[in-house]
Amino acid sequence: AQTVTQSQPEMSVQEAETVTLSCTYDTSENNYYLFWYKQPPSRQMILVIRQEAYKQQNATENRFSVNFQKAAKSFSLKISDSQLGDTAMYFCAFGRDFGNEKLTFGTGTRLTIIP
Amino acid sequence: DGGITQSPKYLFRKEGQNVTLSCEQNLNHDAMYWYRQDPGQGLRLIYYSQIVNDFQKGDIAEGYSVSREKKESFPLTVTSAQKNPTAFYLCASSTDRKYEQYFGPGTRLTVT
Repeated sequence: AQTVTQSQPEMSVQEAETVTLSCTYDTSENNYYLFWYKQPPSRQMILVIRQEAYKQQNATENRFSVNFQKAAKSFSLKISDSQLGDTAMYFCAFGRDFGNEKLTFGTGTRLTIIP
Repeated sequence: DGGITQSPKYLFRKEGQNVTLSCEQNLNHDAMYWYRQDPGQGLRLIYYSQIVNDFQKGDIAEGYSVSREKKESFPLTVTSAQKNPTAFYLCASSTDRKYEQYFGPGTRLTVT
């Protein structure tokens, strides 16, 4: 079974600074997908970024980027130029490469952006 | 606009009563999922369905039941056998072409 670990329950950073959220996972699979989801105070889950394990290039989406280290089974999220709207819970998730497979979520990191 | 709807947003029930949470999607997704969210525990999978008329238990299925009679709908029933039903419930769907899951706005269930 796959496990996903987020070791930082809470983090805070000043507005406009850069912050990195950590995620490690355990799997015996070679092909899989990794995701970061954001859950703001509204509690709507929003996909932030996804990474295919077979791709060596790290995914980026505007101010959001990942550092994917397949051998180390590490998948961190970097938020650059943080904004007040980035305040949210962030969940790391793992999915096997079979399509329509269930996702395994970490316990989340509560990120607060300080004005 | 395509999306996932869950109703109601807040639901209150007395202990011992069954309650059904609604989840509807118009994204034409084959797969649908139910998650439970408790503080400090992330999202835990209750049930999922990859195709109409078929579903599988997730990690915490005890005390819950589902049906998938239509592609668009995946209702979740919280039965009186669920020992601690008060939680936030999230429904999601996915297509096998994109892998990521799309979520509804959630239902907060409070049982007293």
